[in-house]
Amino acid sequence: AQTVTQSQPEMSVQEAETVTLSCTYDTSESDYYLFWYKQPPSRQMILVIRQEAYKQQNATENRFSVNFQKAAKSFSLKISDSQLGDAAMYFCAYRTPYGNKLVFGAGTILRVKS
Amino acid sequence: NAGVMQNPRHLVRRRGQEARLRCSPMKGHSHVYWYRQLPEEGLKFMVYLQKENIIDESGMPKERFSAEFPKEGPSILRIQQVVRGDSAAYFCASSPQDSSLDEQFFGPGTRLTVL
Repeated sequence: AQTVTQSQPEMSVQEAETVTLSCTYDTSESDYYLFWYKQPPSRQMILVIRQEAYKQQNATENRFSVNFQKAAKSFSLKISDSQLGDAAMYFCAYRTPYGNKLVFGAGTILRVKS
Repeated sequence: NAGVMQNPRHLVRRRGQEARLRCSPMKGHSHVYWYRQLPEEGLKFMVYLQKENIIDESGMPKERFSAEFPKEGPSILRIQQVVRGDSAAYFCASSPQDSSLDEQFFGPGTRLTVL
């Protein structure tokens, strides 16, 4: 069974600084998708960024980028120029291309200091 | 285009009562997923449905829980004889018929509290 591990229960970053959230996963599949979701205090799940495993290029969405290391089964999220609105719980998730369920990590709480 | 809608947003039940959670997927979406988030934990998959069919219920508890997605109307997650351990946030997500788009759009969740 696939598992997703987020080893950092909580992280803090100064406003305008950069922070990296870690995620590792375990799978025997060669093709799959990886996601980072943000859950603010409203509890709404918001997709931040996604990566297809067959793509070698790391995904980027404005201030958010990933470092995808397929051999190491690592998928970290980098947030540049952190803003107060980035404060939230962040979940890493995995999905196979023909399965439909997302497997989530336990989450990392990100606090942004002004 | 309205997003995924869930109601109620908050539901309080006493032990032994039934809880019914509703999910209306985004317009044009025919795939619905239910996830449960226990306090301080990540979301856990429960069930995946298409119209009138349960596709994958591998995450559903064997007893007291059931789900449906009828031809007309919202998807329903039903919990019979609730216990305190059922207290959690229940999220519904939907995706288009063309699942190669691979994104699941989440609703705001229903927070169930069992007294």
